Amino acid sequence: NAGVTQTPKFRVLKTGQSMTLLCAQDMNHEYMYWYRQDPGMGLRLIHYSVGEGTTAKGEVPDGYNVSRLKKQNFLLGLESAAPSQTSVYFCASSDRTDTQYFGPGTRLTVL
Amino acid sequence: DAKTTQPTSMDCAEGRAANLPCNHSTISGNEYVYWYRQIHSQGPQYIIHGLKNNETNEMASLIITEDRKSSTLILPHATLRDTAVYYCIVRVASSGGSNYKLTFGKGTLLTVNP
Repeated sequence: NAGVTQTPKFRVLKTGQSMTLLCAQDMNHEYMYWYRQDPGMGLRLIHYSVGEGTTAKGEVPDGYNVSRLKKQNFLLGLESAAPSQTSVYFCASSDRTDTQYFGPGTRLTVL
Repeated sequence: DAKTTQPTSMDCAEGRAANLPCNHSTISGNEYVYWYRQIHSQGPQYIIHGLKNNETNEMASLIITEDRKSSTLILPHATLRDTAVYYCIVRVASSGGSNYKLTFGKGTLLTVNP
């Protein structure tokens, strides 16, 4: 039981490049989330999903897109990366008990 | 969700109990108190949550005042590995509703010293 895993762990992009971050969970959770964390700040919700095939916007959705084609996977896409998207990205999942389980994070730098 | 107030930082000696306070004076009757922590460079980790009664699990105890306006997270025997930022979060249980997100503030940096 790996819990929540994220791929990749680190990535450096140039401005304007695109990339996809993958989150996978093996706990059969309905809900999945993408957060970003910037230095000295708490986590901010980007997008979330309440089930396979569904997505919804969080607090800071601009510049990101998501997809939940399979229940166990939640993808976060950056179509045209900007330096302001340099951050650590965390994925989480939960069932109806509200306890969220987090992945180890992806450190993204946009030059 | 109700706003929470936590001290910016605290120190604790290894082996002693760490008591982390949280003020949530505007909490509503249907809002739970959740505690998470984040060890440096790792993802946040759930610790415990409660509504009215005190709660205990293998990691910690949660003491909620009778008026529910404040709470204390207790780590009974702190170790060096407990050094982390601790977040107190107040929120309504989702139960199929639309309020799914956790709102993380700045938390309390707990430093456990040898």
